Amino acid sequence: DAKTTQPPSMDCAEGRAANLPCNHSTISGNEYVYWYRQIHSQGPQYIIHGLKNNETNEMASLIITEDRKSSTLILPHATLRDTAVYYCIVRTGGPGTASKLTFGTGTRLQVTL
Amino acid sequence: GAVVSQHPSWVICKSGTSVKIECRSLDFQATTMFWYRQFPKQSLMLMATSNEGSKATYEQGVEKDKFLINHASLTLSTLTVTSAHPEDSSFYICSAPDVANYGYTFGSGTRLTVV
Repeated sequence: DAKTTQPPSMDCAEGRAANLPCNHSTISGNEYVYWYRQIHSQGPQYIIHGLKNNETNEMASLIITEDRKSSTLILPHATLRDTAVYYCIVRTGGPGTASKLTFGTGTRLQVTL
Repeated sequence: GAVVSQHPSWVICKSGTSVKIECRSLDFQATTMFWYRQFPKQSLMLMATSNEGSKATYEQGVEKDKFLINHASLTLSTLTVTSAHPEDSSFYICSAPDVANYGYTFGSGTRLTVV
């Protein structure tokens, strides 16, 4: 699976959009981009995934560049409860497959008042 | 959505004893379970992959005789830390692919402290 690079930490004011970047310049054509987050001392939580099109769900939006070498997770209106470590993961196989997830170091997002 | 129930959420044990951690898939069948370990302020490290009815696959550097994994049914996988030592103190998390949906469902984690 391709390696990802994320900034180690970011701050965001409550109510503002949080934009979390991820670089995956070695991604190959059959690899999906997944985002998970981990709130302190809990198991990771699925946020969103995509292959090449932008995606949106009730939690977030995922913007993938046309060359697929980077992506941005957008939390449109961050709240204090969004404070967590966010992991961008690239893996072979989309929904319905069971290949392992390899976690990088992630971005620690701190949402402040 | 799919739920993986992990127990216990925390455990303190004495050096040399064994500890069993259970992960149950509550509303789906988990033919595969991934076991991770996380040290403070570090990322999740995959330890092993268990498949129902067959032997687990361990990542490089993980002692299979120390971390016993059993996946006897489609809804239960267990990790036993044998002869635990203080350096085994960590946060252990299980995860199962939720093939009916899109992601992986994670347990809530077990914080193991060996004294």
